[in-house]
Formats: sequence, C-alpha cells, structure tokens
Amino acid sequence: NAGVIQTPRHKVTGKGQEATLWCEPISGHSAVFWYRQTIVQGLEFLTYFRNQAPIDDSGMPKERFSAQMPNQSHSTLKIQSTQPQDSAVYLCASSPQGAGQNTLYFGAGTRLSVL
Amino acid sequence: AQSVTQPDARVTVSEGASLQLRCKYSYSGTPYLFWYVQYPRQGLQLLLKYYSGDPVVQGVNGFEAEFIKSNSSFHLRKASVHWSDSAVYFCAVSAGSGGSNYKLTFGKGTLLTVTP
Repeated sequence: NAGVIQTPRHKVTGKGQEATLWCEPISGHSAVFWYRQTIVQGLEFLTYFRNQAPIDDSGMPKERFSAQMPNQSHSTLKIQSTQPQDSAVYLCASSPQGAGQNTLYFGAGTRLSVL
Repeated sequence: AQSVTQPDARVTVSEGASLQLRCKYSYSGTPYLFWYVQYPRQGLQLLLKYYSGDPVVQGVNGFEAEFIKSNSSFHLRKASVHWSDSAVYFCAVSAGSGGSNYKLTFGKGTLLTVTP
C-alpha cells in the first residue's frame, strides 16, 4: 500500500496562472479530504468528498478554488488566477469512512509557491 | 463549532527526558480527540485517538494521552523521548455525534526538538 499519493510535490506558478494539484487516495477509502497548511493559519479544512460526491466545501475560497473527484482513484484541486496568498502546502487525506472517529491518512502534500 | 489550543509553539527536551505536550479543546458535546505527528517533508500520521472508554489512551512509539473532561484537555505524554521524536505534533478534535463529525479541527502545532 503506497499510501495517499500527491503530485507534484512542489509547484511554482506565477501570479495569475492556474495550478492543478492531484491526489490519489488509498484504494478502498471512501472519504477524501483537502486541507491547506500555512505557518500563520495552521491546518485549514478545505473540502470533503464521500464516495466521490462533494459533501462539504465550506472551507474553499469561493471564487478561484474548485475541487473534483471524477473517479474513486483520484481527486484534483484547481486554483485559478493564483495569488501570493495561495502559497501553502496543500494536503490530501483519505479515510475508510467519513465518520469522525476514523483515522485520516495524509499524503506528503504539494507545496505551492506563487511568485 | 469546535476549536483547539496548543499553547506551546516550541518545546525542547533532552533525550531520555519525559515529555508533555499540552492541548485544550473547546466543544460543547463529547468530542473525538486525536494527536497527529508530522515529520519533515511528510504528511501527518496518527499517534493516537480517543472517543470513549478509558481516558488514558496508548499510541504508537510509547506515546499516551489522557482525556480530562473537566479541564477540556488532552495532553500528550511520553516517559522517555528519543531524538527521532523531533517533529511537529498536532492535536485535533472532531464533533462526537454531530452531523459534521468528519471535519477535523487542528491546533497550530507544537514543534518538538529533542537535544542530545
């Protein structure tokens, strides 16, 4: 089991460009989460899918961020017109179920640097 | 809504010494509580979790934590630290029986440095 795989590990974009981050959850896990990690804000919940369906995107900045899960083997987080304040580590996690007591398995993250 | 406070941003201890990392949570109901660890350039890994039963829970690598409801605390402890324990430790809470109990709320983390 390779764990949660995130690609790329590091992405550099210019201000105004688009960034797409990829996540491959652990096979058989029905819940997929995206979190953003910064020094100032810490770990912030972005969005949650269960059985590929979007359940909660309350943490997503509405205008430029979008997430999809087209099949059970991958999810994408897209940021349009990236801004310097989007620079962060974006973490994907999966879980066997969405219930609160279940362990989240995190990927190593994608470090996004917006110049 | 729930929240987590980790009052110590950085903790330094000598190898072989005991350790306590503090965590206080805010949630009106019975929470699910977690400690995760993040090593450099890696994702978070679960150390231990609590949601019912014995308030002292054992985790991996000799870590344990105690749920004290009256104090809204879930401090992490280890009897004797090793240099490899140097990492960032996160306390997290989710709503116990609430509708959004899938959502973890994390503290800001405590950077642990173990010195020789």
